[in-house]
Amino acid sequence: DQQVKQNSPSLSVQEGRISILNCDYTNSMFDYFLWYKKYPAEGPTFLISISSIKDKNEDGRFTVFLNKSAKHLSLHIVPSQPGDSAVYFCAASEAGGTSYGKLTFGQGTILTVHP
Amino acid sequence: GAVVSQHPSWVICKSGTSVKIECRSLDFQATTMFWYRQFPKQSLMLMATSNEGSKATYEQGVEKDKFLINHASLTLSTLTVTSAHPEDSSFYICSAYRQGYDQPQHFGDGTRLSIL
Repeated sequence: DQQVKQNSPSLSVQEGRISILNCDYTNSMFDYFLWYKKYPAEGPTFLISISSIKDKNEDGRFTVFLNKSAKHLSLHIVPSQPGDSAVYFCAASEAGGTSYGKLTFGQGTILTVHP
Repeated sequence: GAVVSQHPSWVICKSGTSVKIECRSLDFQATTMFWYRQFPKQSLMLMATSNEGSKATYEQGVEKDKFLINHASLTLSTLTVTSAHPEDSSFYICSAYRQGYDQPQHFGDGTRLSIL
């Protein structure tokens, strides 16, 4: 049972444009959501997170939106840069609204940003 | 920022060998470490949760006798794949965090395990 789903295996975007990565979840107990970026043969690197008490969190070029009623979140990257090309994982936790607790990951989306 | 070191990064060994993978938190004391496994083009699957000084909690379907986890100190956890076989070949990643400090899990760079 895939509790966190990233339905788009890949996304291709032109440099300077917006990248939108989507994630859906089924477990209503999830209350903390994170996005990680991963390069081949490396561990994931934390990008940005959002608690279920918020619907938006912004950090520089990265913004995460959370729609709890739809059990959907998205990561917006603007403007996209070639260095953003990587695999992006959505993750969720049911940890009382904090960052700790075990994470359930989506399948990942390969983002390619073309110069 | 926090750094988690994982060693070795790549290991190739014969079937039947036991392999130990180390995960160290370099600049903070990790109350909890997690071990994940990733198959090609798939998600990270949590194998077990390791708390310092106590037995690891394994996820359903993970053989605790096959994947031995030791968390002897606040900076070191080890995963030993015992009597490894080709089907154990995978990418293993650890993560660490410190309870009480609202920081996300920090991941090591992973270990590519290839069993011949």
